[in-house]
Amino acid sequence: AQKVTQAQTEISVVEKEDVTLDCVYETRDTTYYLFWYKQPPSGELVFLIRRNSFDEQNEISGRYSWNFQKSTSSFNFTITASQVVDSAVYFCALRNYGQNFVFGPGTRLSVLP
Amino acid sequence: DTEVTQTPKHLVMGMTNKKSLKCEQHMGHRAMYWYKQKAKKPPELMFVYSYEKLSINESVPSRFSPECPNSSLLNLHLHALQPEDSALYLCASSQDWGHTSNTGELFFGEGSRLTVL
Repeated sequence: AQKVTQAQTEISVVEKEDVTLDCVYETRDTTYYLFWYKQPPSGELVFLIRRNSFDEQNEISGRYSWNFQKSTSSFNFTITASQVVDSAVYFCALRNYGQNFVFGPGTRLSVLP
Repeated sequence: DTEVTQTPKHLVMGMTNKKSLKCEQHMGHRAMYWYKQKAKKPPELMFVYSYEKLSINESVPSRFSPECPNSSLLNLHLHALQPEDSALYLCASSQDWGHTSNTGELFFGEGSRLTVL
């Protein structure tokens, strides 16, 4: 069975602080894909990153970075020097090859000025 | 700007009304999806169309009727809804779907926020 857990329901930080959003997944497949999406108040889910199960290299994109560790089944997301515009709900998701998405419950991030 | 366009953005309807939600994408994607999202919950899959054919229906009540007129358009026809159907309805597309899919990411529209009175 596939499952995604985001243990942090809500996080509040002050602007310019760093924040890490946790994601733990469960799957028995060896080929799978992991994703992060951002959902601002406007409603649209914005695609941030995709990682396949064979690529454990960490990635950095501007203030965003992702740490993928198969040994702990985690795919954590860090925002450096957070900004008010980062306030949103963030979803981690898992997709086994050829199957549908499984979304985590989401983490609501509030960045205070 | 999103490349998946949904209309209307907001819809209020009574339980006896008939209405439709519309979705359009021009990315050449061959798979399109309807998701339902309740407040403070993740999106839940309703339907998947692949190459204009219905591939998945996640046991959605018949008061929701999807339609895919062509590869760029996806509709969701609504009839005799219940107040508990009030939610954000999200359309999404992806390059492909199923065992041949090799990219995976979904591109979402901004959603249609539905209120059933």
